[in-house]
Amino acid sequence: GQQLNQSPQSMFIQEGEDVSMNCTSSSIFNTWLWYKQDPGEGPVLLIALYKAGELTSNGRLTAQFGITRKDSFLNISASIPSDVGIYFCAGRSTSGTYKYIFGTGTRLKVLA
Amino acid sequence: NAGVTQTPKFQVLKTGQSMTLQCAQDMNHNSMYWYRQDPGMGLRLIYYSASEGTTDKGEVPNGYNVSRLNKREFSLRLESAAPSQTSVYFCASSEIGQISGANVLTFGAGSRLTVL
Repeated sequence: GQQLNQSPQSMFIQEGEDVSMNCTSSSIFNTWLWYKQDPGEGPVLLIALYKAGELTSNGRLTAQFGITRKDSFLNISASIPSDVGIYFCAGRSTSGTYKYIFGTGTRLKVLA
Repeated sequence: NAGVTQTPKFQVLKTGQSMTLQCAQDMNHNSMYWYRQDPGMGLRLIYYSASEGTTDKGEVPNGYNVSRLNKREFSLRLESAAPSQTSVYFCASSEIGQISGANVLTFGAGSRLTVL
């Protein structure tokens, strides 16, 4: 089946540092989504990407749809304590219709 | 503006018991989904319903059944619960189409199920 590798699995960073995480797929995707999940809550959409090469920002967050259409990146600039949580990527294949595949998540901890 | 509502939030079952998780969305979305989340595994698709009247298996459908009751509601049933079904279950919905901004998944808050 399709594989979606997300890295790193976890990160401990100092407040104010920049954060980078990425997802790589074994197949081509036509949509990439990035979500954040707080403890005890459902994932909340951060950024959606629809075109190869697309670069989209949402405040301090920037995500890119890789040129190969098999990867995506999320950057968080100047991290703050409320950035703590689990970040998930999700992709939708060109051959699929409504099914999204999720990465295993990046657990972010910010040290004040 | 409730979005996606799941009930119950927490449930403890004994092995072999049955139960139904309920999900309702008020965004007039066509597609609805059930995912399960296990530590280190991300979110895995159990079943989805592309539109009212249709359901399809996802990645991990064994041991589950679903019903798309109407456009708003999509339920997940465990007929004979097993400890391996201990997990957090998320319902999601989405619109369909090629317009940018469509196709994103909106999630409920989750239902935490423990099977003893």
